[in-house]
Amino acid sequence: DPKIIQKPKYLVAVTGSEKILICEQYLGHNAMYWYRQSAKKPLEFMFSYSYQKLMDNQTASSRFQPQSSKKNHLDLQITALKPDDSATYFCASSPGTGIGQLYFGEGSKLTVL
Amino acid sequence: GEQVEQRPPHLSVREGDSAVITCTYTDPNSYYFFWYKQEPGASLQLLMKVFSSTEINEGQGFTVLLNKKDKRLSLNLTAAHPGDSAAYFCAVSAGFATGGNNKLTFGQGTVLSVIP
Repeated sequence: DPKIIQKPKYLVAVTGSEKILICEQYLGHNAMYWYRQSAKKPLEFMFSYSYQKLMDNQTASSRFQPQSSKKNHLDLQITALKPDDSATYFCASSPGTGIGQLYFGEGSKLTVL
Repeated sequence: GEQVEQRPPHLSVREGDSAVITCTYTDPNSYYFFWYKQEPGASLQLLMKVFSSTEINEGQGFTVLLNKKDKRLSLNLTAAHPGDSAAYFCAVSAGFATGGNNKLTFGQGTVLSVIP
């Protein structure tokens, strides 16, 4: 059974709309992350959270807002969607924010028309 | 910031042949290195993690070599089989030097095809 659940697996949105990507991890980890994989760029770090607090934000646009309602949840809200936002968004987690292995979810593939 | 260059972008080998994927990085403070495998439509699975005190790590059917002097990391699949067909990504982290945020910088990926 997958220990990091991302929903939805696929979604299509129209330009200008808003979507929320859901991520829940059942590994008991304290740190969670969002990464983005697009056709034109390598897998990119977006955000890191530790104990529900934002640790690092490498996303230039405020249209991307992570939301953590529980320690094992880290959702990603994207507003005013653009075609360039089309990508697969991966949620990941780790026991802490120190050295260690990241565990990835299966991704949410977003297509913006 | 850190930049990671991964080569080649695509690699096709025959079953039983070896396959070598190489990454070079720029940040001399980089300390932790990872190789991930991604099958089509699936998530990234960790193959190997290499820390600064380790130069060579061997896994099941592959070897990872780290050369910190040249800032080079390589993955060598010694006898490829069709099940190895996937995308492979290297990832680099400076660990605590970045504030311990586990921010990985990934290479562009290599799509490996193993022909039976």
